[in-house]
Amino acid sequence: DAKTTQPTSMDCAEGRAANLPCNHSTISGNEYVYWYRQIHSQGPQYIIHGLKNNETNEMASLIITEDRKSSTLILPHATLRDTAVYYCIVRVPHDAGNMLTFGGGTRLMVKP
Amino acid sequence: DGGITQSPKYLFRKEGQNVTLSCEQNLNHDAMYWYRQDPGQGLRLIYYSQIVNDFQKGDIAEGYSVSREKKESFPLTVTSAQKNPTAFYLCASSINWNQGTGNTIYFGEGSWLTVV
Repeated sequence: DAKTTQPTSMDCAEGRAANLPCNHSTISGNEYVYWYRQIHSQGPQYIIHGLKNNETNEMASLIITEDRKSSTLILPHATLRDTAVYYCIVRVPHDAGNMLTFGGGTRLMVKP
Repeated sequence: DGGITQSPKYLFRKEGQNVTLSCEQNLNHDAMYWYRQDPGQGLRLIYYSQIVNDFQKGDIAEGYSVSREKKESFPLTVTSAQKNPTAFYLCASSINWNQGTGNTIYFGEGSWLTVV
């Protein structure tokens, strides 16, 4: 699986959009981009994933650049409950181990 | 409700003892996984299983053992050979390793193991 690079931490004001960047310059053609988040002492929560098109669901939007070397997770109206560590992962869904490799992630702090 | 259930949430173990963490899923998923997370760190894969009666070592399998006798169950045993077992353990599952549309992995709530 390709490595990803994320900022260590970010702040966001409550009610504003939170834009979390991720670089994955070595991504290969069949690797998807996944985003998870983890609140302290809980299991990671799936947010969204995509291959090359932008995606949106009830939680967030995922914007993937045309060259697929980077992506941005957008939380349109951040709340205090969105404070968590956000992980960006790239992987081939059906590779031999179907594994997820988590790096350090971005610690998002939503402030009142 | 459908989901992944891990138990116990908190477990204390004396040095030299084996301990087994339970993971049960009712999502009818084929693949199951065990990860370890140390404070402030990402997740590291211990073992994974793609189908019943089959499992493979992950990146840090030494000192751990698993079984997959039933589709819904994937228990993890932390043996006395694991030198630094105190950590947060996460079980996960996905529908089928060979599906091509994204094959999302879902996680349980985790188990804290402390060696005393």
